[in-house]
Amino acid sequence: NAGVTQTPKFQVLKTGQSMTLQCAQDMNHNSMYWYRQDPGMGLRLIYYSASEGTTDKGEVPNGYNVSRLNKREFSLRLESAAPSQTSVYFCASSEGGRGEKLFFGSGTQLSVL
Amino acid sequence: AQTVTQSQPEMSVQEAETVTLSCTYDTSESDYYLFWYKQPPSRQMILVIRQEAYKQQNATENRFSVNFQKAAKSFSLKISDSQLGDAAMYFCAHQSGYGKLTFGQGTILTVHP
Repeated sequence: NAGVTQTPKFQVLKTGQSMTLQCAQDMNHNSMYWYRQDPGMGLRLIYYSASEGTTDKGEVPNGYNVSRLNKREFSLRLESAAPSQTSVYFCASSEGGRGEKLFFGSGTQLSVL
Repeated sequence: AQTVTQSQPEMSVQEAETVTLSCTYDTSESDYYLFWYKQPPSRQMILVIRQEAYKQQNATENRFSVNFQKAAKSFSLKISDSQLGDAAMYFCAHQSGYGKLTFGQGTILTVHP
């Protein structure tokens, strides 16, 4: 039972480079989320997908794009990385209803130099 | 928009003692859920406890319990008989539509032997 799988676990980019963070869940969940975690700021929502075929902006969407490829997969793309995007990124999934817990991946440590 | 505030960046407790972590939130909703998540050094996000706003009774999970004061918008976490394995970052979170979580800034808990 893999749960939520994120790749890669670590990545170093140069300013201006692009990359895609991959996320897949095997729990048949409807909703998926991308968060970033920064010291002193907790986790902040970047984008979410309430169901397959839909995506919406969260609290900090600037500089990111997402794709809900199918029910299992939800990717996050940085088109032109900036040092301010240095962070730990978490993907999560849930059934999507009220009270449903979120299941988190193990995170991606991204450094932009 | 919902906001969640954890005013204690760091807390410490002696093994076997009790500690309380504070959390306040702001929301215009009447029906919502509140969560406490634990993040050990492994970075994995682990659900500790969940509270539905409509339920008067405070949630409990073994050594973990909450003091939910709806009118005051306060949601504190009490850890009894603290163990070394309780050392972690603790996040309070409010859940709104489609399962989205808004997190507080986090509290680092140190447990002294």
